[in-house]
Amino acid sequence: DGGITQSPKYLFRKEGQNVTLSCEQNLNHDAMYWYRQDPGQGLRLIYYSQIVNDFQKGDIAEGYSVSREKKESFPLTVTSAQKNPTAFYLCASSSGPKYEQYFGPGTRLTVT
Amino acid sequence: KNEVEQSPQNLTAQEGEFITINCSYSVGISALHWLQQHPGGGIVSLFMLSSGKKKHGRLIATINIQEKHSSLHITASHPRDSAVYICAVTSFRSGGGADGLTFGKGTHLIIQP
Repeated sequence: DGGITQSPKYLFRKEGQNVTLSCEQNLNHDAMYWYRQDPGQGLRLIYYSQIVNDFQKGDIAEGYSVSREKKESFPLTVTSAQKNPTAFYLCASSSGPKYEQYFGPGTRLTVT
Repeated sequence: KNEVEQSPQNLTAQEGEFITINCSYSVGISALHWLQQHPGGGIVSLFMLSSGKKKHGRLIATINIQEKHSSLHITASHPRDSAVYICAVTSFRSGGGADGLTFGKGTHLIIQP
């Protein structure tokens, strides 16, 4: 079945550690996105990539890094520089900015 | 002021009622999206529209580009419609490209039996 997978569903880390969230899609989509959701706030764009080996900062990129070495994969690293990393992280993909976005199930990250 | 505003924030209704959720935006957009998020967190895209009206089953979405306003309607509401409904827009970011989504805070809908 085609879709987007994110793993793991729940992730726990100690403060000061970097952590990488996985996002894989088999929809043959060119564009991929990372969003963050906090209670009481709308989702916010962290990074996006329109094509392999290219990515752009979104609205809240500080403390995060990404790579896009393969069309299917867009991992997000939450670095120790991110001041408030505990959040729900959603990955999405689309055929391009003019098309519908498909969302993964999300990863809930807790940093203590 | 948020670029995308939704109302109401919370809505509780009885099964069978006609539901309307509103979305206003203040930026130039290429498209507006209505999304549904269930308690587990997963998000499903309901509609993407740039003009007029779309219908899917009991759901109807409309957009008025001149007034920068969209509405999501649910006819004959059912408890399984209980979810958070999110309005989002594809807006033009720096560089001229339309990338990523800008989201409203969502409307938490509860339909009671």
